[in-house]
Amino acid sequence: IAGITQAPTSQILAAGRRMTLRCTQDMRHNAMYWYRQDLGLGLRLIHYSNTAGTTGKGEVPDGYSVSRANTDDFPLTLASAVPSQTSVYFCASKGTSNTDTQYFGPGTRLTVL
Amino acid sequence: QQQVKQSPQSLIVQKGGISIINCAYENTAFDYFPWYQQFPGKGPALLIAIRPDVSEKKEGRFTISFNKSAKQFSLHIMDSQPGDSATYFCAARNDYKLSFGAGTTVTVRA
Repeated sequence: IAGITQAPTSQILAAGRRMTLRCTQDMRHNAMYWYRQDLGLGLRLIHYSNTAGTTGKGEVPDGYSVSRANTDDFPLTLASAVPSQTSVYFCASKGTSNTDTQYFGPGTRLTVL
Repeated sequence: QQQVKQSPQSLIVQKGGISIINCAYENTAFDYFPWYQQFPGKGPALLIAIRPDVSEKKEGRFTISFNKSAKQFSLHIMDSQPGDSATYFCAARNDYKLSFGAGTTVTVRA
């Protein structure tokens, strides 16, 4: 069982370019999340999805979009990247139990120049 | 504005010593308080968690102390080991979404 996979591992991107970060989980978890991690700020929620077909905005959604066409995949798209989106991005998923916590992927390090 | 305030930003402890990390919150709707451990280049992983109706939870060398009236909770790492060197995040859950503290980098000196 792989858990959560993210791709790419790292990417350098020119400002203004479009980029999609991929996230796939094989745990059949209903809920999935995207966070960005910045030094001194911890992890901040970008977007989330409680179940396939639904999405919601987190704490820092501007400049990002997501889709949830099926249970396993939850891609994050930067329509026109800006340098302030340089960060490490983590995808996470959670089961349906009230005590289940979130399981994180290995992250994508994104640099926008 | 972070909903969960975490301190210190970093700490150094000798092997065998006690590491203490503190977190505070304001939102009384939070109903679950996990701690995550993150090693360099890896994603965070759940370490231990507590619900607000419990004042303390212990798992091995890791203990969470929870003070509901003060809206504070802390992580104690007893008998700290070099392998405990990592960044630790406290978090609080509301409506199944987590708010994280800024993180504490713990360095255990052998």
